[in-house]
Amino acid sequence: QLQLQESGSGLVKPSQTLSLTCAVSGGSISSGGYSWSWIRQPPGKGLEWIGYIYHSGSTYYNPSLKSRVTISVDRSKNQFSLKLSSVTAADTAVYYCASVRINDAFDIWGQGTMVTVSS
Amino acid sequence: SSELTQDPAVSVALGQTVRITCQGDSLRTYYASWYQQKPGQAPILVIYGRNNRPSGIPDRFSGSSSGNTASLTITGAQAEDEADYYCNSRDSSGNHLVFGGGTKLTVL
Repeated sequence: QLQLQESGSGLVKPSQTLSLTCAVSGGSISSGGYSWSWIRQPPGKGLEWIGYIYHSGSTYYNPSLKSRVTISVDRSKNQFSLKLSSVTAADTAVYYCASVRINDAFDIWGQGTMVTVSS
Repeated sequence: SSELTQDPAVSVALGQTVRITCQGDSLRTYYASWYQQKPGQAPILVIYGRNNRPSGIPDRFSGSSSGNTASLTITGAQAEDEADYYCNSRDSSGNHLVFGGGTKLTVL
């Protein structure tokens, strides 16, 4: 059974870069047919798709975040990562990683990690 | 603003049937998926594709679609179904994913 686990800094200063990693267990990140995604949820608000990376390496990002986002895969460590630059308080949120397999559905989610942007 | 529109809140009496809707032009082309989120927990997928339930999701959850509207129906709502529900699909360009704003379901 595929499992995902986020890790990274829980506190980031304004203007700095947020960096998170999602460890994949119970399966290979190189498996065909998967894409790997990041989603966030500000406190008390709804879900926002950040972007995803296909097993081929192609990336797609939310247009509202595209200039600041990078998603990458480290196959040797079976994990994928998120970098969000020039953060502000508006980037404070719970960040989730998720797998996407069929019909663009996020079928497996990590537990989420809270990131606060504050000086 | 989201390209997928959901009613902010819906209520249902225990044991009755409730429909939660999601509207958007892209739904004429792409399927919607549905997620249940309880306080302090990660969302879980409950419906995907035409009307598919992942393993472990009760059969009282079903999905349907007509025109620009996708629906999640809970037949015989239980107290444990009280949660926030989100739809997601592709946006009108087809290149990106998007979530609806979410619907808070209260079971009375």
